[in-house]
Amino acid sequence: QSALTQTASVSGSPGQSITISCTGTSSDVGGNNYVSWYQQHPGKAPKLMIYDVTNRPSGVSNRFSGSKSGNTASLTISGLQAEDEADYYCSSYTSSSTQVFGGGTKLTVL
Amino acid sequence: QVQLQESGPGLVKPSQTLSLTCTDSGGSMGSGSYYWSWIRQPAGKGLEWIGHIYTSGYASGSTKYNPSLKSRVTISVDTSKNQFSLNLSSVTAADTAVYYCARFPKGTYYGMDVWGQGTTVTVSS
Repeated sequence: QSALTQTASVSGSPGQSITISCTGTSSDVGGNNYVSWYQQHPGKAPKLMIYDVTNRPSGVSNRFSGSKSGNTASLTISGLQAEDEADYYCSSYTSSSTQVFGGGTKLTVL
Repeated sequence: QVQLQESGPGLVKPSQTLSLTCTDSGGSMGSGSYYWSWIRQPAGKGLEWIGHIYTSGYASGSTKYNPSLKSRVTISVDTSKNQFSLNLSSVTAADTAVYYCARFPKGTYYGMDVWGQGTTVTVSS
């Protein structure tokens, strides 16, 4: 299985919105609604931000939202804040009952 | 609060077997409610899913592995100790990474909601 494709880096100014994309295939992202997104600060474990494409766990800011179209899922962060600067990873459950991550996107808040 | 904690040697020699254990302090490993995963991350690189295991009182130890690692990976579980383990054989320097354990719920949603803090494993002679 191949890793999901994410843009390597994205940047935005405080208050702006950014979108991170995650492209897979019909065997993973496009084949179900089992896509999740993780935020990882340096030296820390990943934190679940979005599950099942669009849902936020309790405690995650509503500035984070997820969507999907075809084989591409997206994470949008609105009202960027300095603490949003981190690496973001998508993950999908596949038709083979395995899991696959994206390569990660480094978000810089200017 | 549920916590996962990885443990094991921080240094493994090339060609040997890397063995790690993840302990679930919440005691939910035998509940049948979760899949238990191993993920790794080489320094400065992205996350790589290694494999996961599902266990309940009826179905013990159903596993799935990353195809690229499948020939070298074994994941097992000991519900009496609330632990699951990773064995990775014939290691090379390319297996040097931070190794995380994590869980995701079975049958409710897909997302790894609890992670261990990670443990660094270096493969070197």
